[in-house]
Amino acid sequence: EVQLVESGGAVVQPGGSLRLSCAASGFTFNDYAMHWVRQAPGKGLEWVSLISWDGGSIYFGDSVRGRFTISRDNSKNSLYLQMNSLREEDTAFYYCGRETLEAAGSIDYWGQGTLVTVSS
Amino acid sequence: EIVMTQSPATLSVSPGETATLSCRASQSVSSDLAWYQQRPGQAPRLLIYGAFTRAPGIPARFSGSGSWTEFTLTITSLQSEDFAVYYCQQYHNFWTFGQGTKVEIK
Repeated sequence: EVQLVESGGAVVQPGGSLRLSCAASGFTFNDYAMHWVRQAPGKGLEWVSLISWDGGSIYFGDSVRGRFTISRDNSKNSLYLQMNSLREEDTAFYYCGRETLEAAGSIDYWGQGTLVTVSS
Repeated sequence: EIVMTQSPATLSVSPGETATLSCRASQSVSSDLAWYQQRPGQAPRLLIYGAFTRAPGIPARFSGSGSWTEFTLTITSLQSEDFAVYYCQQYHNFWTFGQGTKVEIK
């Protein structure tokens, strides 16, 4: 069974940093590109970042580019999101997701999310 | 950035009836379009990719159509578990989501 479990969410002050993790199991992690998607409480989905299976291709949404970095450790079946210079508008549930092999770009499995709250 | 616009924002439908949801792209996305369902308190679930291909395990009452800039998700014979928020997503040029359509019980 495919499982994605995010962790690392917390309350942090504006300007602070946080590292999210996503532990993957039930599939061959290094075969898949992985995404981060976020959702502010009561709002819609916002794509954040993608990393290719080998880390060779990385993309970010405009609102986080230059502040967030994405990485993966295929030996540990883990995905990471390093978030720096956090702003109140970064407050959201952060989901990791596995990219669909059949249709690169869609996300076929999602974790349950981890909540990041940026507040003074 | 490709902007995805969904309509209506809220759709009131009676159980057993058909719901028709629309998604428009600000420029062509070919067939690089996915639909997701999100129930309260849950993560999104992939329903449709490639504009019309159902994801594994998705009931046949969910169908997708359209191409280029205009797309439709149709849900026939609405069941209680289908009342949720639905998002479209393009992956033709990076990745963007629509703002969602809430399907509520009439």
